[in-house]
Amino acid sequence: TQTVSQSDAHVTVFEGDSVELRCNYSYGGSIYLSWYIQHHGHGLQFLLKYYSGNPVVQGVNGFEAEFSKSDSSFHLRKASVHWSDSAVYFCAVRDPGKLTFGDGTVLTVKP
Amino acid sequence: EAAVTQSPRSKVAVTGGKVTLSCHQTNNHDYMYWYRQDTGHGLRLIHYSYVADSTEKGDIPDGYKASRPSQENFSLILELASLSQTAVYFCASSWTGGGQNTLYFGAGTRLSVL
Repeated sequence: TQTVSQSDAHVTVFEGDSVELRCNYSYGGSIYLSWYIQHHGHGLQFLLKYYSGNPVVQGVNGFEAEFSKSDSSFHLRKASVHWSDSAVYFCAVRDPGKLTFGDGTVLTVKP
Repeated sequence: EAAVTQSPRSKVAVTGGKVTLSCHQTNNHDYMYWYRQDTGHGLRLIHYSYVADSTEKGDIPDGYKASRPSQENFSLILELASLSQTAVYFCASSWTGGGQNTLYFGAGTRLSVL
């Protein structure tokens, strides 16, 4: 069984700052990693994924993530955050046929 | 537009009662999932299905049953609801062709068991 951990429960930044949300995974076979965003009161929405090729993957709204096999990491980054980026972010790893999610990181963007 | 629709959006149930949560997808996806989310926590997989008339246990299946009568519909059944099952429940669908597994989520059902 593959697992994923998100070490930061809460991250607070100011609008215009850069941000990195951390995700580490346990390796148990073929890699399939993804990030999802959940705005308050809504379901999760897909942001981006990695399963092969270029380790830096681009997602929607200026988000990108970098896969590192040596560090067992898949950190999410954004160069300049907007107040609307305030949400909970979940990292997920694929077990065959299903996804296992981390506990999430609450990102708060202050004006 | 392809979508995952859950009903009801919220429900109050009594302890020991039966609860059925419904999910309908128009994505033409093979896989469907039921997750629960407790306040301040991530999602935990209850049951999933990769084909109609078949379901699989997830990580926390105890106290829950699932039914997939067609590719589009996937239900979660609590035969004897308990206080500990108060949570938000999310249905999702995905297509796993080509090694993909992007999940598309419904808006969630908030269940309160009293």
